[in-house]
Amino acid sequence: GENVEQHPSTLSVQEGDSAVIKCTYSDSASNYFPWYKQELGKGPQLIIDIRSNVGEKKDQRIAVTLNKTAKHFSLHITETQPEDSAVYFCAAQESNFGNEKLTFGTGTRLTIIP
Amino acid sequence: GAVVSQHPSWVICKSGTSVKIECRSLDFQATTMFWYRQFPKQSLMLMATSNEGSKATYEQGVEKDKFLINHASLTLSTLTVTSAHPEDSSFYICSALGLVGRVDEQFFGPGTRLTVL
Repeated sequence: GENVEQHPSTLSVQEGDSAVIKCTYSDSASNYFPWYKQELGKGPQLIIDIRSNVGEKKDQRIAVTLNKTAKHFSLHITETQPEDSAVYFCAAQESNFGNEKLTFGTGTRLTIIP
Repeated sequence: GAVVSQHPSWVICKSGTSVKIECRSLDFQATTMFWYRQFPKQSLMLMATSNEGSKATYEQGVEKDKFLINHASLTLSTLTVTSAHPEDSSFYICSALGLVGRVDEQFFGPGTRLTVL
């Protein structure tokens, strides 16, 4: 099955600086890579995703890059703000019809220092 | 975006009792829903995949007789933790598979915190 590794487990960044979180996956058949933000006591919220037919996707301050050859993808948050503090999870999915299971990374606790 | 609700948001029960958690897709129909369990400071672990009108598919190591899943309609799946014990205390999260444009996307509920005394 799929195995997703995520680094770092914790990350502290000065407000206004950039944060980068990296993930690697094992199953070359995976073709969908979402990123989730989870605040304390809440369910995960999708913040950005990328599919295997593109290498980079950007949405305002958030961007994701994908390297299928190396089997890794990264989340980039620029101009960080205190409200970006949360736990971030990457995930990988092999989108075969009827088998859309997500495998999550171990999570990164991001703290933005005012 | 699509909304998924869970009820209750938290529950405290005595050891040996059963607890039912509901997961609803509010503005879309979901033929597939997923149930996850998350222990403190850990990742989400998939417990089972619930398909409307058929038996759920459980992940390895998850007891199907302990965690009963019923997906009776296109907008509702329930997870019943039977004979709950303190080690079942966890954050249970569901998600529903919905069509966004031409691709499927999982929409997550807000979670249910179960505490077994």
